[in-house]
Amino acid sequence: GAGVSQSPSNKVTEKGKDVELRCDPISGHTALYWYRQSLGQGLEFLIYFQGNSAPDKSGLPSDRFSAERTGGSVSTLTIQRTQQEDSAVYLCASSLRGLGNTEAFFGQGTRLTVV
Amino acid sequence: LAKTTQPISMDSYEGQEVNITCSHNNIATNDYITWYQQFPSQGPRFIIQGYKTKVTNEVASLFIPADRKSSTLSLPRVSLSDTAVYYCLMGSGAGSYQLTFGKGTKLSVIP
Repeated sequence: GAGVSQSPSNKVTEKGKDVELRCDPISGHTALYWYRQSLGQGLEFLIYFQGNSAPDKSGLPSDRFSAERTGGSVSTLTIQRTQQEDSAVYLCASSLRGLGNTEAFFGQGTRLTVV
Repeated sequence: LAKTTQPISMDSYEGQEVNITCSHNNIATNDYITWYQQFPSQGPRFIIQGYKTKVTNEVASLFIPADRKSSTLSLPRVSLSDTAVYYCLMGSGAGSYQLTFGKGTKLSVIP
């Protein structure tokens, strides 16, 4: 597609349920990032993929969070046993390289609300 | 990871030039400086990137002094639609890849 696509755009879930957030990066982009942004706050880095591997998982806040990427393309961020503090906008970005010195393209995000 | 410091907020009138300065005292030799813009309910959008001296594109200019310990994003003749949060980032250098966003500068353009 023309840009980074994320789905769903909005998700309301009950506390304790599992959720899956999907990211379709720009075709050909090898680097993929997940961020979390709480209301009025900056972006919190979660995880980075280069191809299908995740060399940096340092930002995942707990073992309830996991992510995978298949075929060097689509990525899924899974949150198990959701808690109210997980409520935030989850943003995905992709870039041609992951050296931190290139332009990253962001999706519109998934707004997650845990009730 | 390299850390950046920016003003939390700025106000400007329409038509004025706005300069937002970012401090990055521990910038590494291989780091580039990148600025992003974020509107409410949208993901950040790349504005400009530079390594040293001055870079200009159709949207903004980026001024980087010789010591590279700071950078200034310059927005000429701002309009109401430039109201957004502006983030300064540094590339973490060869072998590393994390794009670390600080809290950004909330720019409010006043009519």
